[in-house]
Order: sequence, then C-alpha cells, then structure tokens
Amino acid sequence: TQLLEQSPQFLSIQEGENLTVYCNSSSVFSSLQWYRQEPGEGPVLLVTVVTGGEVKKLKRLTFQFGDARKDSSLHITAAQPGDTGLYLCAGFSHSGGGADGLTFGKGTHLIIQP
Amino acid sequence: EAQVTQNPRYLITVTGKKLTVTCSQNMNHEYMSWYRQDPGLGLRQIYYSMNVEVTDKGDVPEGYKVSRKEKRNFPLILESPSPNQTSLYFCASSPILSSEGIGEQFFGPGTRLTVL
Repeated sequence: TQLLEQSPQFLSIQEGENLTVYCNSSSVFSSLQWYRQEPGEGPVLLVTVVTGGEVKKLKRLTFQFGDARKDSSLHITAAQPGDTGLYLCAGFSHSGGGADGLTFGKGTHLIIQP
Repeated sequence: EAQVTQNPRYLITVTGKKLTVTCSQNMNHEYMSWYRQDPGLGLRQIYYSMNVEVTDKGDVPEGYKVSRKEKRNFPLILESPSPNQTSLYFCASSPILSSEGIGEQFFGPGTRLTVL
C-alpha cells in the first residue's frame, strides 16, 4: 500500500491570507490529482499534474508536482470563504503486479473565515 | 448529462443481510472504482476495474465483491455485511489516458450505509 501524507489535516485562517497544503509520499507516482469535496457530495477534480517539477495555476490556486514525482503542494493566494472545503490529493501509479490503483491522502479540512 | 449514479443513496440494514449497491456511468469510461470514506481515515479504495471483466483489489477489499460485466455498471456487493462496514461509499469512473494513467475521476453522489 502506497501512502500519501497530507498536511496540515486542519487549517482555519482569515479571508485574504495565503496558505499551502502539502502532499508527500516515499513512492513515485505517474500522476497526481487534487480534488475538492463539499459536505455531502463526491470529490471534484481541480487539477492533474504529470511531469516532475510541473506547475499549474487555476485562478488563485497554484499546484506543483515535485521533481521526483513523490510530492505535491497546493498554494492558495488571498483565500476566500468560498475556498472552504476538504482538499484531497490522489496519486496514481502503475505497478508491475498490475496494481493500477489510486491512493488518496486523508485530506485537509480548510476553513476560511470572513 | 454526463454522470455517475449510485443507488441507493441511503441504506440501513442488519448484520449478515446481503446487499448490493449499484453504480452506473454514461461516459463510456474504462476505469471504475469503489471507495469508502470514514472520518480520520479519508477515502480508501475498495476495488477498481480497468475494463470489462477486469477487476482488482484496492487497499481495503475484505468483505466486498464487485463485478464488471458491462462497461457502464460496477456494482458493489456485501455478501454478509458487518457493523464495521458502516460508511459513506463512493463510486467513480474515469477514462484511461496513456500518458497520465487515469484521467479525471467523476464521483457519484455517495451511498451512506449503516449496518446494525
């Protein structure tokens, strides 16, 4: 079982502040996805990163994939109350044993206070 | 409308009574997967399928069965449910991309199962 460690687990900040969420593993992933989940709903994809060192931007959100494809970060600039939610990273890997599974981190519960 | 549907959305049952949660997608995706989500444990993959008649165990397959007889359907079967299978279950589907592995996963609305 490959593990993805997300940190912090909980984060509550004021509107307008910046924050970074980390997703770390000792394993190499073919690709890594970031999802956001609202209460009572399924996760929704934000971005997929594939290449080591890749940086993708989605408005105020910046995603980075580590050079070795073992870690990733999500940075939010000037957080808004609408950014509140559960953020999940998920790594996909091919395995010689045929285990092409997707591993999720435990998530970061983010609260942006007005 | 492209979507993943799950039924039922809510289910309360008793220990040992066999049940099936259905999952269907209309996007012609090859990859389908079942997850359970528990507080403090996050989303854990139960089973996944790369295509019709191809299924593999995820991280927590014990007590579950799946089948993939048609591309669009991927039912989750609990032959003899136990209270530790009380959880929120999500089905998801995605295309398989040669360069990235799998593409965006589309999740169903979830099934909240309680086993008494």
